[in-house]
Amino acid sequence: GAVVSQHPSRVICKSGTSVKIECRSLDFQATTMFWYRQFPKQSLMLMATSNEGSKATYEQGVEKDKFLINHASLTLSTLTVTSAHPEDSSFYICSAPQLASTDTQYFGPGTRLTVL
Amino acid sequence: GDSVTQMEGPVTLSEEAFLTINCTYTATGYPSLFWYVQYPGEGLQLLLKATKADDKGSNKGFEATYRKETTSFHLEKGSVQVSDSAVYFCALSKTQGGSEKLVFGKGTKLTVNP
Repeated sequence: GAVVSQHPSRVICKSGTSVKIECRSLDFQATTMFWYRQFPKQSLMLMATSNEGSKATYEQGVEKDKFLINHASLTLSTLTVTSAHPEDSSFYICSAPQLASTDTQYFGPGTRLTVL
Repeated sequence: GDSVTQMEGPVTLSEEAFLTINCTYTATGYPSLFWYVQYPGEGLQLLLKATKADDKGSNKGFEATYRKETTSFHLEKGSVQVSDSAVYFCALSKTQGGSEKLVFGKGTKLTVNP
C-alpha cells in the first residue's frame, strides 16, 4: 500500500522555540494532505487541510499563525509549531489520500512533540 | 455536527475469543464509514470500509456492516489473535470544501492474551 512518512518521530524543545514537522508521501503524489492532533486517550482531531500550491484550510479554533502549514510539492507538507508552549505538547499525525481514491487516506506514523 | 461514538476501552480478550467493538455515528447525508487500526509504534492503517447502506466491509477476518437504520458500523471478528492487539478507530468521511475529511471516534484499545 501507499506509504506516508513523518520526520522527526519525536522532538523535545524549549518553550518559545519553533518546531517543524515534515510529512512525505513516498510512492504517490498528494495534492492534499491533512494534519491531525491526538491527545492521550482522545480521538484524532483534524487541524487543517494542506493544499499544494495554495493556502491551507484551518479548522475552527486552530490558530493559523501558530500552526504554519506549507505544501511545497506534491509529496511534501510541513507543519511548523511557532513559539511552542507546553500546551502544544501532543502527537501530530499527517495523512494523504491517493489521487484516485480520495476517501481512503494513508497515515504517517506520527510525531510526538514535547515542549518543556 | 458529524460525530462518531465508539465503545470505551480498553478491551482485553483471550486468544480465539469473539470480538465486537461498537460504533455509532451522527451525520448528515450518506457518509462513508471506516475502521482504522493502529498497531504499536505504527501509523493508522485502513482496516475496512463501507460506502453505502447495507454494505459489508471485511478484511483479515474482521467485518462491519453499514446499518443506516441504526446508524451503526460495529466491528466484529470471530476469533481474535494476539497479533490483533492494537487500537481501533471508527471514522466517517464527509466532503467539505471539495475534499474528503475524516471524523474519528476516540479509539478502542484491544489487548489479546495468549
